[in-house]
Amino acid sequence: KQEVTQIPAALSVPEGENLVLNCSFTDSAIYNLQWFRQDPGKGLTSLLLIQSSQREQTSGRLNASLDKSSGRSTLYIAASQPGDSATYLCAARGGSYIPTFGRGTSLIVHP
Amino acid sequence: GAGVSQSPSNKVTEKGKDVELRCDPISGHTALYWYRQSLGQGLEFLIYFQGNSAPDKSGLPSDRFSAERTGGSVSTLTIQRTQQEDSAVYLCASSLLAAGPPPNEQFFGPGTRLTVL
Repeated sequence: KQEVTQIPAALSVPEGENLVLNCSFTDSAIYNLQWFRQDPGKGLTSLLLIQSSQREQTSGRLNASLDKSSGRSTLYIAASQPGDSATYLCAARGGSYIPTFGRGTSLIVHP
Repeated sequence: GAGVSQSPSNKVTEKGKDVELRCDPISGHTALYWYRQSLGQGLEFLIYFQGNSAPDKSGLPSDRFSAERTGGSVSTLTIQRTQQEDSAVYLCASSLLAAGPPPNEQFFGPGTRLTVL
């Protein structure tokens, strides 16, 4: 059974810092890994999707990498801003077609 | 519509009553998922629909929970005889294809916040 772990569970940083959020998964036989953002009281917003054949994806200040062999993905946020404050979740999708979600990293970026 | 929509956005009900939650996926998306998110908890998978195939109901927590998807589009999640522990945010997601090489990004709706008094 796939298990997804996100570290750290919470993070508080000053504005401008570069951040790395970690996501690890136990079963490397995945089709893709997706990163989401969730604002309080809202649904999930897709940030980046990395297919199993890819090593990384970039969107603006966000960069996500995938290392299937080690069961890890990282989300890099450059030059963090207060508007980046949210919970970030990763989800690994394997052969069961049902993604397994991590518990998320709660990020606060203070001015 | 442009995205996944859910209704109602909020639902307050009394213990023992039945509730229906609705999800409108993105047009053309064949896969539809229901999840539950309780306060301080991660996403709990409930049920998955893929095209005309039999749904995967392995995540439903009890027989009080059921879901259907009519015409391969709109889905309704029904909770019978609601209990206080059913209070949570119920999220729906859709994707173009469930698996395989083609892009299969999941898109989520805003959720329905259910409160059982």
